[in-house]
Amino acid sequence: EPEVTQTPSHQVTQMGQEVILRCVPISNHLYFYWYRQILGQKVEFLVSFYNNEISEKSEIFDDQFSVERPDGSNFTLKIRSTKLEDSAMYFCASRDRGPEAFFGQGTRLTVV
Amino acid sequence: KNQVEQSPQSLIILEGKNCTLQCNYTVSPFSNLRWYKQDTGRGPVSLTIMTFSENTKSNGRYTATLDADTKQSSLHITASQLSDSASYICVVRGGGYNKLIFGAGTRLAVHP
Repeated sequence: EPEVTQTPSHQVTQMGQEVILRCVPISNHLYFYWYRQILGQKVEFLVSFYNNEISEKSEIFDDQFSVERPDGSNFTLKIRSTKLEDSAMYFCASRDRGPEAFFGQGTRLTVV
Repeated sequence: KNQVEQSPQSLIILEGKNCTLQCNYTVSPFSNLRWYKQDTGRGPVSLTIMTFSENTKSNGRYTATLDADTKQSSLHITASQLSDSASYICVVRGGGYNKLIFGAGTRLAVHP
């Protein structure tokens, strides 16, 4: 069964460093999303991506964040200069034209 | 403000018992409502998706209801199993650009 895959499963980085979280969405999907979940809190929307451009972003998604779909299969989230408060689970999701969004297993980012 | 509220926050039941989880939302415009199961440290997995015109939908031991007039939904779990222990998250698609708006979840623990 097709699934959204995310790598790495766990990333530890020092404050101020850049990180890139990688996602391979389901191959025929058209809409891509990043969400994050701080430990013990609800899942929060970060950004949606369609037709090779950002379609919507939340107030969390500031200039430190960027997304790319460099090669038609990978979908990446970059955090330029990580802060302690960026520590969270980051989930990638994708969907086709239907309503169902499929989530990856997440990348746990720990900023120390 | 687009919000999704869930109750109870947490619930403990004995194996074999039934339970009902509640969700109230204030998302507008409304597109659909889904219930996700999220195991600790994992990505959300969809249980059901309900559109405006659907009142009840079942998926095995899970039955979701939707009252679009009162903006309430419930998830009923029948004959609970130990593997049902997880967070159950109510998610509404709507608001701006059809993004997913997450509730905080109900943490269910099924004890033998």
